[in-house]
Amino acid sequence: NAGVTQTPKFQVLKTGQSMTLQCAQDMNHEYMSWYRQDPGMGLRLIHYSVGAGITDQGEVPNGYNVSRSTTEDFPLRLLSAAPSQTSVYFCASSLRGGGVSETQYFGPGTRLLVL
Amino acid sequence: AQSVTQLDSHVSVSEGTPVLLRCNYSSSYSPSLFWYVQHPNKGLQLLLKYTSAATLVKGINGFEAEFKKSETSFHLTKPSAHMSDAAEYFCVVSDRDDKIIFGKGTRLHILP
Repeated sequence: NAGVTQTPKFQVLKTGQSMTLQCAQDMNHEYMSWYRQDPGMGLRLIHYSVGAGITDQGEVPNGYNVSRSTTEDFPLRLLSAAPSQTSVYFCASSLRGGGVSETQYFGPGTRLLVL
Repeated sequence: AQSVTQLDSHVSVSEGTPVLLRCNYSSSYSPSLFWYVQHPNKGLQLLLKYTSAATLVKGINGFEAEFKKSETSFHLTKPSAHMSDAAEYFCVVSDRDDKIIFGKGTRLHILP
Protein backbone atom coordinates (compact mmCIF):
# COMPACT_ATOMS: atom_id res chain seq x y z
CA ASN A 1 0.00 0.00 0.00
CA ALA A 2 1.93 3.03 -1.29
CA GLY A 3 -0.64 5.65 -0.22
CA VAL A 4 -0.54 8.83 -2.32
CA THR A 5 2.32 9.11 -4.78
CA GLN A 6 3.37 12.14 -6.80
CA THR A 7 5.78 12.50 -9.69
CA PRO A 8 8.06 14.23 -10.37
CA LYS A 9 9.55 15.43 -7.05
CA PHE A 10 11.24 18.41 -8.69
CA GLN A 11 10.72 20.15 -12.00
CA VAL A 12 12.11 23.24 -13.71
CA LEU A 13 10.11 24.72 -16.59
CA LYS A 14 10.53 27.67 -18.87
CA THR A 15 7.68 30.15 -19.24
CA GLY A 16 5.16 28.87 -21.76
CA GLN A 17 6.05 25.21 -21.45
CA SER A 18 3.42 22.66 -20.54
CA MET A 19 3.63 19.74 -18.20
CA THR A 20 1.56 17.28 -16.20
CA LEU A 21 2.00 16.58 -12.50
CA GLN A 22 1.04 13.02 -11.73
CA CYS A 23 -0.87 11.86 -8.66
CA ALA A 24 -1.98 8.34 -7.85
CA GLN A 25 -3.49 6.63 -4.82
CA ASP A 26 -4.03 2.95 -4.13
CA MET A 27 -6.53 3.26 -1.27
CA ASN A 28 -9.68 3.29 -3.41
CA HIS A 29 -10.43 6.82 -2.27
CA GLU A 30 -13.26 8.68 -3.98
CA TYR A 31 -12.07 12.20 -3.21
CA MET A 32 -8.85 13.63 -4.61
CA SER A 33 -7.56 17.18 -4.67
CA TRP A 34 -4.65 19.38 -5.65
CA TYR A 35 -3.20 22.19 -3.54
CA ARG A 36 -0.42 24.64 -4.00
CA GLN A 37 1.63 25.84 -1.04
CA ASP A 38 3.27 29.24 -1.09
CA PRO A 39 5.05 30.99 1.82
CA GLY A 40 2.57 32.77 4.07
CA MET A 41 -0.41 31.56 2.05
CA GLY A 42 -1.00 28.10 3.51
CA LEU A 43 -2.38 25.51 1.12
CA ARG A 44 -4.80 26.73 -1.50
CA LEU A 45 -7.17 24.37 -3.26
CA ILE A 46 -6.71 24.27 -7.04
CA HIS A 47 -9.11 21.55 -8.20
CA TYR A 48 -10.83 18.61 -6.62
CA SER A 49 -12.73 15.50 -7.63
CA VAL A 50 -15.42 13.58 -5.76
CA GLY A 51 -15.15 10.56 -8.04
CA ALA A 52 -14.14 9.30 -11.47
CA GLY A 53 -15.46 11.60 -14.18
CA ILE A 54 -16.29 14.44 -11.76
CA THR A 55 -14.08 17.44 -11.16
CA ASP A 56 -14.63 20.95 -9.81
CA GLN A 57 -12.70 24.15 -9.24
CA GLY A 58 -11.20 25.22 -5.97
CA GLU A 59 -9.91 28.62 -4.87
CA VAL A 60 -7.18 29.11 -7.49
CA PRO A 61 -8.02 27.10 -10.64
CA ASN A 62 -6.78 29.51 -13.33
CA GLY A 63 -3.94 28.11 -15.42
CA TYR A 64 -4.56 24.52 -14.38
CA ASN A 65 -6.62 21.67 -15.83
CA VAL A 66 -7.54 18.33 -14.33
CA SER A 67 -9.32 15.16 -15.33
CA ARG A 68 -10.30 12.02 -13.44
CA SER A 69 -10.70 9.09 -15.78
CA THR A 70 -9.98 6.48 -13.09
CA THR A 71 -10.42 6.32 -9.32
CA GLU A 72 -6.67 5.97 -8.82
CA ASP A 73 -5.27 8.86 -10.89
CA PHE A 74 -5.74 12.61 -10.77
CA PRO A 75 -3.24 14.44 -12.99
CA LEU A 76 -2.78 18.21 -12.90
CA ARG A 77 -1.92 19.93 -16.17
CA LEU A 78 -0.20 23.26 -16.64
CA LEU A 79 -0.96 24.28 -20.22
CA SER A 80 1.37 27.30 -20.41
CA ALA A 81 3.54 27.68 -17.34
CA ALA A 82 4.05 31.12 -15.80
CA PRO A 83 6.52 32.23 -13.08
CA SER A 84 3.53 32.78 -10.76
CA GLN A 85 3.01 29.02 -10.81
CA THR A 86 6.33 28.45 -9.03
CA SER A 87 5.21 26.61 -5.92
CA VAL A 88 5.06 23.32 -4.08
CA TYR A 89 2.15 21.20 -5.20
CA PHE A 90 0.45 18.63 -2.99
CA CYS A 91 -2.02 16.00 -4.01
CA ALA A 92 -4.36 14.58 -1.38
CA SER A 93 -7.04 11.95 -1.18
CA SER A 94 -9.72 10.83 1.24
CA LEU A 95 -12.24 8.06 1.32
CA ARG A 96 -15.07 10.47 0.58
CA GLY A 97 -15.58 14.19 0.26
CA GLY A 98 -14.79 16.82 2.83
CA GLY A 99 -18.38 17.17 3.91
CA VAL A 100 -18.23 13.89 5.80
CA SER A 101 -15.17 14.87 7.81
CA GLU A 102 -12.73 12.55 6.17
CA THR A 103 -9.02 12.58 6.92
CA GLN A 104 -6.92 13.77 4.01
CA TYR A 105 -3.83 11.74 3.04
CA PHE A 106 -1.15 13.81 1.37
CA GLY A 107 1.48 12.97 -1.16
CA PRO A 108 5.11 14.06 -0.63
CA GLY A 109 4.76 17.09 -2.90
CA THR A 110 6.22 18.34 -6.20
CA ARG A 111 8.49 21.38 -6.21
CA LEU A 112 8.00 23.37 -9.41
CA LEU A 113 10.16 26.25 -10.56
CA VAL A 114 9.08 28.25 -13.60
CA LEU A 115 11.77 30.48 -15.07
CA ALA B 1 -18.77 29.59 1.90
CA GLN B 2 -16.49 28.47 4.64
CA SER B 3 -13.26 30.16 5.69
CA VAL B 4 -10.63 29.77 8.36
CA THR B 5 -8.35 32.29 10.05
CA GLN B 6 -5.22 31.42 11.98
CA LEU B 7 -4.62 34.38 14.21
CA ASP B 8 -0.83 34.08 14.53
CA SER B 9 1.64 33.46 11.73
CA HIS B 10 4.44 32.69 14.22
CA VAL B 11 4.37 31.49 17.82
CA SER B 12 7.45 31.04 20.01
CA VAL B 13 7.39 29.15 23.31
CA SER B 14 10.05 27.74 25.58
CA GLU B 15 10.48 24.00 25.85
CA GLY B 16 8.27 22.65 28.64
CA THR B 17 5.77 25.52 28.53
CA PRO B 18 2.20 25.38 27.16
CA VAL B 19 1.38 25.82 23.48
CA LEU B 20 -1.67 27.69 22.17
CA LEU B 21 -2.30 28.02 18.42
CA ARG B 22 -5.45 29.95 17.60
CA CYS B 23 -7.96 29.26 14.85
CA ASN B 24 -11.32 30.84 14.03
CA TYR B 25 -13.64 29.56 11.34
CA SER B 26 -16.69 30.55 9.38
CA SER B 27 -19.15 28.03 7.99
CA SER B 28 -22.75 28.02 6.85
CA TYR B 29 -23.29 24.53 8.24
CA SER B 30 -21.94 22.43 11.05
CA PRO B 31 -18.34 22.16 9.95
CA SER B 32 -15.73 19.50 10.25
CA LEU B 33 -12.49 20.92 11.60
CA PHE B 34 -8.98 19.56 11.48
CA TRP B 35 -5.45 20.40 12.54
CA TYR B 36 -2.57 19.22 10.37
CA VAL B 37 1.14 19.49 11.05
CA GLN B 38 3.96 19.88 8.55
CA HIS B 39 7.53 19.36 9.66
CA PRO B 40 10.27 21.01 7.60
CA ASN B 41 10.50 19.59 4.07
CA LYS B 42 7.88 16.99 4.88
CA GLY B 43 4.31 16.28 3.87
CA LEU B 44 1.27 16.98 6.01
CA GLN B 45 0.06 14.76 8.82
CA LEU B 46 -3.29 14.80 10.60
CA LEU B 47 -3.05 15.83 14.26
CA LEU B 48 -6.74 15.67 15.15
CA LYS B 49 -10.23 16.26 13.85
CA TYR B 50 -13.59 17.42 15.14
CA THR B 51 -16.65 15.70 13.71
CA SER B 52 -19.52 16.91 15.96
CA ALA B 53 -19.07 14.27 18.64
CA ALA B 54 -17.11 15.49 21.67
CA THR B 55 -16.18 19.17 21.68
CA LEU B 56 -12.78 18.44 23.23
CA VAL B 57 -10.72 16.45 20.76
CA LYS B 58 -7.50 14.66 21.62
CA GLY B 59 -4.89 14.09 18.96
CA ILE B 60 -1.45 12.64 18.56
CA ASN B 61 1.68 13.74 20.43
CA GLY B 62 -0.28 15.23 23.35
CA PHE B 63 -2.14 17.86 21.34
CA GLU B 64 -5.81 18.62 21.84
CA ALA B 65 -8.33 21.15 20.55
CA GLU B 66 -11.66 22.44 21.79
CA PHE B 67 -14.55 23.27 19.48
CA LYS B 68 -16.43 26.36 20.72
CA LYS B 69 -19.42 27.08 18.52
CA SER B 70 -20.31 30.32 20.30
CA GLU B 71 -16.84 31.70 19.60
CA THR B 72 -16.43 29.95 16.21
CA SER B 73 -13.03 28.79 17.42
CA PHE B 74 -10.99 25.61 17.33
CA HIS B 75 -7.76 26.42 19.16
CA LEU B 76 -4.95 23.86 19.42
CA THR B 77 -3.18 23.34 22.74
CA LYS B 78 -0.49 21.22 24.33
CA PRO B 79 0.43 21.36 28.02
CA SER B 80 4.20 21.09 27.57
CA ALA B 81 6.12 21.88 24.39
CA HIS B 82 8.87 19.62 23.12
CA MET B 83 11.63 20.52 20.68
CA SER B 84 10.17 18.05 18.20
CA ASP B 85 6.95 20.11 18.06
CA ALA B 86 8.69 22.78 15.99
CA ALA B 87 6.75 22.75 12.72
CA GLU B 88 4.03 24.54 10.80
CA TYR B 89 0.45 23.90 11.85
CA PHE B 90 -2.63 24.28 9.68
CA CYS B 91 -6.23 24.64 10.75
CA VAL B 92 -8.64 23.24 8.16
CA VAL B 93 -12.41 23.50 7.70
CA SER B 94 -14.77 21.56 5.47
CA ASP B 95 -18.50 21.43 5.16
CA ARG B 96 -21.16 20.15 2.80
CA ASP B 97 -19.84 21.54 -0.44
CA ASP B 98 -16.79 19.26 -0.49
CA LYS B 99 -14.31 22.12 -0.51
CA ILE B 100 -11.58 21.78 2.08
CA ILE B 101 -10.09 25.12 3.07
CA PHE B 102 -6.75 25.56 4.83
CA GLY B 103 -5.69 28.43 7.04
CA LYS B 104 -2.46 30.22 6.21
CA GLY B 105 -0.53 28.34 8.84
CA THR B 106 1.18 29.05 12.15
CA ARG B 107 4.87 28.35 12.48
CA LEU B 108 5.70 27.10 15.97
CA HIS B 109 9.20 27.81 17.29
CA ILE B 110 10.45 26.03 20.41
CA LEU B 111 13.11 27.85 22.42
CA PRO B 112 15.58 25.74 24.46
